[in-house]
Amino acid sequence: EPEVTQTPSHQVTQMGQEVILRCVPISNHLYFYWYRQILGQKVEFLVSFYNNEISEKSEIFDDQFSVERPDGSNFTLKIRSTKLEDSAMYFCASRMTGFVEKLFFGSGTQLSVL
Amino acid sequence: GNSVTQMEGPVTLSEEAFLTINCTYTATGYPSLFWYVQYPGEGLQLLLKATKADDKGSNKGFEATYRKETTSFHLEKGSVQVSDSAVYFCALSPSGTYKYIFGTGTRLKVLA
Repeated sequence: EPEVTQTPSHQVTQMGQEVILRCVPISNHLYFYWYRQILGQKVEFLVSFYNNEISEKSEIFDDQFSVERPDGSNFTLKIRSTKLEDSAMYFCASRMTGFVEKLFFGSGTQLSVL
Repeated sequence: GNSVTQMEGPVTLSEEAFLTINCTYTATGYPSLFWYVQYPGEGLQLLLKATKADDKGSNKGFEATYRKETTSFHLEKGSVQVSDSAVYFCALSPSGTYKYIFGTGTRLKVLA
């Protein structure tokens, strides 16, 4: 089965630094997502992306966050100035068009902000 | 608003025991409901889904029935195996949207 690939698997950064989390969605998928999970808490929706623009975002996704699909294959999440509370597992997901299609998830990037 | 509540884990069972993981939801309209599973070191994978009231989703011996009257979508399996050890996530997608809302996940550990 095709896979969503995320890199790196672990990222350690200092508070205030910028980080970029990378994802390669499945090639014929059209919708892309970022979720995060703080240890022991819910898997939280951050943002969805379709047709080269954000289709929906949550309250968490403030001005410190941005997403980009720079080259038609990669899908990146940038955090401009990381905070301690940004420490979490970040999941990328993609899917085909149509409602009620299943999400394909990557295995996640564990971000630790020190 | 829309939300999903799952029973807290971890759930520890012996092989061949009966499994129930409870999930209730709050949503407007008629959401679609899902169970995803995450094995160690992997991403979440769709286990089963149901798109309307009284639908039963099933896969790999797991079942869940969409109960609108109790706003529930409990996951069941008659006889668990060690290989079922994983984290299970209940999720919903509000009607007419591309958004998915997940619960906290329930860790299942099956002992031989």
